[in-house]
Formats: sequence, C-alpha cells, structure tokens
Amino acid sequence: GEDVEQSLFLSVREGDSSVINCTYTDSSSTYLYWYKQEPGAGLQLLTYIFSNMDMKQDQRLTVLLNKKDKHLSLRIADTQTGDSAIYFCAERKSFQKLVFGTGTRLLVSP
Amino acid sequence: DTGVSQDPRHKITKRGQNVTFRCDPISEHNRLYWYRQTLGQGPEFLTYFQNEAQLEKSRLLSDRFSAERPKGSFSTLEIQRTEQGDSAMYLCASMGAELAGGLNEQFFGPGTRLTVL
Repeated sequence: GEDVEQSLFLSVREGDSSVINCTYTDSSSTYLYWYKQEPGAGLQLLTYIFSNMDMKQDQRLTVLLNKKDKHLSLRIADTQTGDSAIYFCAERKSFQKLVFGTGTRLLVSP
Repeated sequence: DTGVSQDPRHKITKRGQNVTFRCDPISEHNRLYWYRQTLGQGPEFLTYFQNEAQLEKSRLLSDRFSAERPKGSFSTLEIQRTEQGDSAMYLCASMGAELAGGLNEQFFGPGTRLTVL
C-alpha cells in the first residue's frame, strides 16, 4: 500500500523542542518533504531531505533520515506558538507526485 | 499575488448536482496536480498534467470526475452527480519544468472546500 504513517497529535510548551515522526513506504524514494498546514492557508513546504543524506539542518528545523527503517523525523527547536499547525511528511513518487502522511497536529502552549 | 489561485474557495451543493472548480497555476509552470484532502487526512493525489496532457490519474478519480487543462495554463476539475462522500478540500499545485537532480517543489493553492448536502 501507499500508507505514510505519522502520530496524530503532539503537545509541547513554548520554548521546548518538538519531534514529529514519520514512517514512509518506499525505500527508493529520492526526496522526502515536510509540509506545514495552517487553518485557512495552503500547504507550505518547510524543508526536504534527499535520500543520500542522513541529516539536514535549516535554522530551527532538523530533519533526520533513517533509510534502513524508512523513518523520517522533524525536530523544531525552541518551539513557538506560531508553530502550532498540522505537519505532513510526504514522499515523492513518479511524475513528482507526492504521497502524504496522515498529518501530525502540533499544539504549542504558552 | 503570483501564487497558485483556486476558485471558488468554498462550494456548497446538493447531492446529485454537478460542480466545477478552477485552478490557475503559477504562470511559467508547465506541470499541474490535483489532490483531495478529507477531514483528518493528508492530501491524496488525483491527477497530473504536463502542459495540456493528462499523464496520470489515480484510481480515486472515478468516472464522475473529469479534469482538463485545455491550453496548458489553467485547469478545471468537474464532479458530476456529487455524493456526500465527495465533501473534501480540493487542492491544486503547480511545478516548473523538471530539473534533473533538483528539488522540483510543488506550490499549493489555498484549495476549494466542497460540502455536499
């Protein structure tokens, strides 16, 4: 099947780190993505990682990739209330189409 | 605003009616995607156009669904004889010409939320 799995919900306090996990399906996927979705707004690409990398850091965001276990994670350092949103991991397939996970709702409390 | 636009943003219809949605991609993008997102789920791929050619369709796209991109610019998605199960957010995304080894980012529109009563 094409199920990309994520935990449904994560709650953290402002200033803490958040870690969102994802298990994808295709070990041959070349690009893996993290998207953010806020109410009333479109999907926003946050970051991505190429399959020959183990880690990528982009300001407060760190992506870790374990190809053996097909596991992807997104760490947000110093989480802010503005980071509250739904986060989707996605893998790229033929014709560049994306297969998305179920999404993780991140709630950041003050 | 030079992003992807979709119209309408919201559509409420009665079961059995036909609806049509429009997507205007970023002007220089030759590739266009439609996705459907139901409540509590991630977006699911529906169909893909490269210029005016529809190159891939998901099995989710039943015969009541049809998509077109007649001049390789804007695209329309029509749903005939709508059912309550069609209620969802319909998202459009566009992408520029493929770059070998490149990121090839899809840019998403705000979506059309369809409610079938």
